[in-house]
Amino acid sequence: AQKVTQAQTEISVVEKEDVTLDCVYETRDTTYYLFWYKQPPSGELVFLIRRNSFDEQNEISGRYSWNFQKSTSSFNFTITASQVVDSAVYFCALSELSTDSWGKFQFGAGTQVVVTP
Amino acid sequence: DAGVTQSPTHLIKTRGQQVTLRCSPKSGHDTVSWYQQALGQGPQFIFQYYEEEERQRGNFPDRFSGHQFPNYSSELNVNALLLGDSALYLCASSLVGGGRYEQYFGPGTRLTVT
Repeated sequence: AQKVTQAQTEISVVEKEDVTLDCVYETRDTTYYLFWYKQPPSGELVFLIRRNSFDEQNEISGRYSWNFQKSTSSFNFTITASQVVDSAVYFCALSELSTDSWGKFQFGAGTQVVVTP
Repeated sequence: DAGVTQSPTHLIKTRGQQVTLRCSPKSGHDTVSWYQQALGQGPQFIFQYYEEEERQRGNFPDRFSGHQFPNYSSELNVNALLLGDSALYLCASSLVGGGRYEQYFGPGTRLTVT
């Protein structure tokens, strides 16, 4: 069974501070994808980043970066130099990669990020 | 290129009634998944449709059913509505076998059961 845990319920920062969101997952599959989505108050889930289980290279995309560590089953996400527009709920999600499992996302409970000016 | 669209945006129903929600996938996508998101929680997987058949299902009762049409659009039906069915219902689309492993979500339908 899959499980995704986001232990942080809410994080409050002042604009320009960095924000790191934690995500720990459980899966019995050896091949899977991990995702981060942003959900602003409008409700739509916005895709941010994804990482597959067989590539542990960490990357940076603009103000976003992520740290995937398979040994500790963690997939942490960092927003650098936060802005007020980053205020939203952020979800970590996992999907196993077998043909019959793809697309069944297991989401964490979400972390509310509040960025104040 | 239109993304995932859902209708209606909001819906208010009475306990015991039935409801139908609709979803059109992103252009080029052939798989539609439905999720229920209760207030303050993460989305929960309901089921997934591919080639007009239910391919995967989460832990939801049979009151939740769906359909996929030849044009890949989909409907979610909920019978005998309960107060606990009040939630944001999200539709997501993806392409099986495309190798891209992306899933895009629609804006959701907010269902209120009174």
